[in-house]
Amino acid sequence: DIQMTQSPSSLSASVGDGVTITCRASQSINNYLNWYQQKPGKAPKLLIYAASSLQSGVPSRFSGSGSGTDFILTISSLQPEDFATYYCQQSYSTPGFGGGTKVEIK
Amino acid sequence: QVQLQESGPGLVKPSETLSLTCAVSGGSISSNYWWSWVRQPPGKGLEWIAEIYHSGSTNCNPSLKSRVTISVDQSKNQFSLNLNSVTAADTAVYYCARKTYGWPRSLDYWGQGILVTVSS
Repeated sequence: DIQMTQSPSSLSASVGDGVTITCRASQSINNYLNWYQQKPGKAPKLLIYAASSLQSGVPSRFSGSGSGTDFILTISSLQPEDFATYYCQQSYSTPGFGGGTKVEIK
Repeated sequence: QVQLQESGPGLVKPSETLSLTCAVSGGSISSNYWWSWVRQPPGKGLEWIAEIYHSGSTNCNPSLKSRVTISVDQSKNQFSLNLNSVTAADTAVYYCARKTYGWPRSLDYWGQGILVTVSS
């Protein structure tokens, strides 16, 4: 099994701040890495696929990078609607999710 | 616009079988996608359960494999999940989702989710 580790598990930030979330795979997954946003009571929403490709309709303030085992999700300027929990997910083998990062208002 | 909608009992007794169906609209279940189930216990993270292709090919989370059956009904444009011998640990919101067949294998459309509680 490939283990996915996200950090931090939570963070506090203000509107307009830049935010970085890290995801590490226990072995190389090439670029088979997706990022999802989940708001309370809602289904996850695909933000980034293949490590760095922006899903249609997702604002350009979201970006992803990385390859192999280390990946980053960046929100360049946090907006009020971005306060949510973010999950990474590897699709290299049997799908698995990271533990999530909750982004809260400071 | 593809839409997925889960349905099934919201309460299941311990040791019984949890049965859910996902109806797909706005697209054909016979198209080139995998159809997946993901769950989320209250206050916790996401866990992938299983997936099925319209041909009947399946993949399953090894930790749940012995208890999971997944099937597809092309005539009704829906797919289903059965999870047997449930315990309180199976209480969760269950989501169905569509996964791209080839690269990048992302879950691009999701149902709204259905809360299933295991309790006597």
